[in-house]
Amino acid sequence: DAGVTQSPTHLIKTRGQQVTLRCSPKSGHDTVSWYQQALGQGPQFIFQYYEEEERQRGNFPDRFSGHQFPNYSSELNVNALLLGDSALYLCASSALAGSYGYTFGSGTRLTVV
Amino acid sequence: DQQVKQNSPSLSVQEGRISILNCDYTNSMFDYFLWYKKYPAEGPTFLISISSIKDKNEDGRFTVFLNKSAKHLSLHIVPSQPGDSAVYFCAALGGTASKLTFGTGTRLQVTL
Repeated sequence: DAGVTQSPTHLIKTRGQQVTLRCSPKSGHDTVSWYQQALGQGPQFIFQYYEEEERQRGNFPDRFSGHQFPNYSSELNVNALLLGDSALYLCASSALAGSYGYTFGSGTRLTVV
Repeated sequence: DQQVKQNSPSLSVQEGRISILNCDYTNSMFDYFLWYKKYPAEGPTFLISISSIKDKNEDGRFTVFLNKSAKHLSLHIVPSQPGDSAVYFCAALGGTASKLTFGTGTRLQVTL
């Protein structure tokens, strides 16, 4: 049973560019959350998607946007990349109706140069 | 505003001894707490959790203690094993939010 799958694993982008990261949730999970983990920090909540809609949002600018597809997979888009956007981006899936069973993917390491 | 704090960035413990990792929180709305373990190049893996209605939860070598009045929780690992060497994150949930609020992590090294 595959867990949470994220792609790509690594990415290098130039300042000002746009990036799209992808996440496939664990089988049976319908909710996807995205987190940003900067070096030396804990993961910070970006937003959560359920039923193809953004359900909650953390303290991130509008440059960060997302999407959830009917098969529950999700994308995170970041526009106008800044050097400070360099981080590990983690996707976590959960079953909304369940308890707190969050499963994390291995993340996408984004480097902005 | 760091609502979940792990004040020890690193901890070194000998194999077989007890490891104690600490976590403090400030938000009274938090009512569920989780510990995650993270190896390099992997995502966080769930270890153990505790609800605010309990003060202790045990799972094998791992025990989490919660002191609500002090807004403090701790993770005890006994006996510690070399494979326990990783970064440990404390996380909290609460109120109507289903987002995890993480601490900054503690790097545990278990030496032979």
